[in-house]
Amino acid sequence: QSVLTQPPSASGTPGQRVIISCSGSSSNIGSNTVNWYQQLPGTAPKLLIYSNNQRPSGVPDRFSGSKSGTSASLAISGLQSEDEADYYCAAWDDSLNGVVFGGGTKLTVL
Amino acid sequence: QVQLQESGPGLVKPSETLSLTCTVSGGSISSYYWSWIRQPPGKGLEWIGYIHHSGSIKYNPSLKSRVTILADTSKNQFSLRLSSVSAADTAVYYCARGPEYSGSLSWFDPWGQGSLVTVSS
Repeated sequence: QSVLTQPPSASGTPGQRVIISCSGSSSNIGSNTVNWYQQLPGTAPKLLIYSNNQRPSGVPDRFSGSKSGTSASLAISGLQSEDEADYYCAAWDDSLNGVVFGGGTKLTVL
Repeated sequence: QVQLQESGPGLVKPSETLSLTCTVSGGSISSYYWSWIRQPPGKGLEWIGYIHHSGSIKYNPSLKSRVTILADTSKNQFSLRLSSVSAADTAVYYCARGPEYSGSLSWFDPWGQGSLVTVSS
């Protein structure tokens, strides 16, 4: 059971907008920034969104992040087949004194 | 740009110690935080711990009694040792660069390609 809760799966058709949620608590998301990672099949995770809503250089603006209270969300608009991947949220947890990840969401492009 | 490469045995016997090294190129480990993260087959990510050039080291509480992370600045490498392993420690082990400052310790970029370690007799 992960400290941060994500839906195990999500899906959408090409061009659609999909939102992946990440729910935590006051000791993690509520008091620290959230980062999101994309893991394409058979590859290492890649930083997708940092500091709740910032995109690293090279990440398309179709990807956006937000945070409110103890929850965060990753939105993907204009869904493309190459977006099919696992997505993870992560945050520091002040109570556990360590980094916690969500369980991951497998995104399928139908 | 900074690149990380894990190396070490792919097979470890139960109760023995898993040892991995991460070699960093294109940047110095004398700045930034440096972490180990693992992923059991078909499962999610688990943070193992980090080391900072200041000497700060922190481990996942669930692994703390078995984990040691060290840095060798002369070789620009950092290492992971996990003792008393069992089949539950079978995973792909990733090394990753963390933030330059402690503001967002769940920021990891880039990651190594990963090293599969299987625990089996």
